[in-house]
Amino acid sequence: QKEVEQDPGPLSVPEGAIVSLNCTYSNSAFQYFMWYRQYSRKGPELLMYTYSSGNKEDGRFTAQVDKSSKYISLFIRDSQPSDSATYLCAMSAVGGSYIPTFGRGTSLIVHP
Amino acid sequence: GAGVSQSPSNKVTEKGKDVELRCDPISGHTALYWYRQSLGQGLEFLIYFQGNSAPDKSGLPSDRFSAERTGGSVSTLTIQRTQQEDSAVYLCASSYGERNQPQHFGDGTRLSIL
Repeated sequence: QKEVEQDPGPLSVPEGAIVSLNCTYSNSAFQYFMWYRQYSRKGPELLMYTYSSGNKEDGRFTAQVDKSSKYISLFIRDSQPSDSATYLCAMSAVGGSYIPTFGRGTSLIVHP
Repeated sequence: GAGVSQSPSNKVTEKGKDVELRCDPISGHTALYWYRQSLGQGLEFLIYFQGNSAPDKSGLPSDRFSAERTGGSVSTLTIQRTQQEDSAVYLCASSYGERNQPQHFGDGTRLSIL
């Protein structure tokens, strides 16, 4: 079992839909959680950075962490075709490696 | 401000040649990371620098791969005697030096070995 699991998709939704992207993990020491967006032929761009459990909102994006279930989510409201990209989760442990553990990414397609 | 800059953005070379990939991190970021991303694959960690030192180079796939960082800033990843399996996107990221700081990525160098 990989330390971080992420469904590769593709996930195809109509414009305006609420999108839910998810990662599960096995290391209970993970405390820092990140979501990146990667457009084709570009590098990953940091979207959200959260610590421990709870929700964090930024515009149309909400990051949610459920440490009891070892499950994190990124919600995108009112999805737009410009949201079409690959979304990667990443996480790290307090006092752990400097190298975060990345999921393999979920490909999202928002069609008009 | 300026983000992480990588050059060249694309590189095509013949098998057996050496290549050098350059990364210019965000000013003030003491930590620098190299990753490799193959088509449809996740990020493969290669090496991590803190300042000019490389405390973790465990991801370098073979002794054909090396990296250095000078002045706590620019880093160069060198691949000697390139092989076709080296074809990939090489991504550089930087962050503040403390643990658990988020990484900021460049747009990568797309390396194709003919």
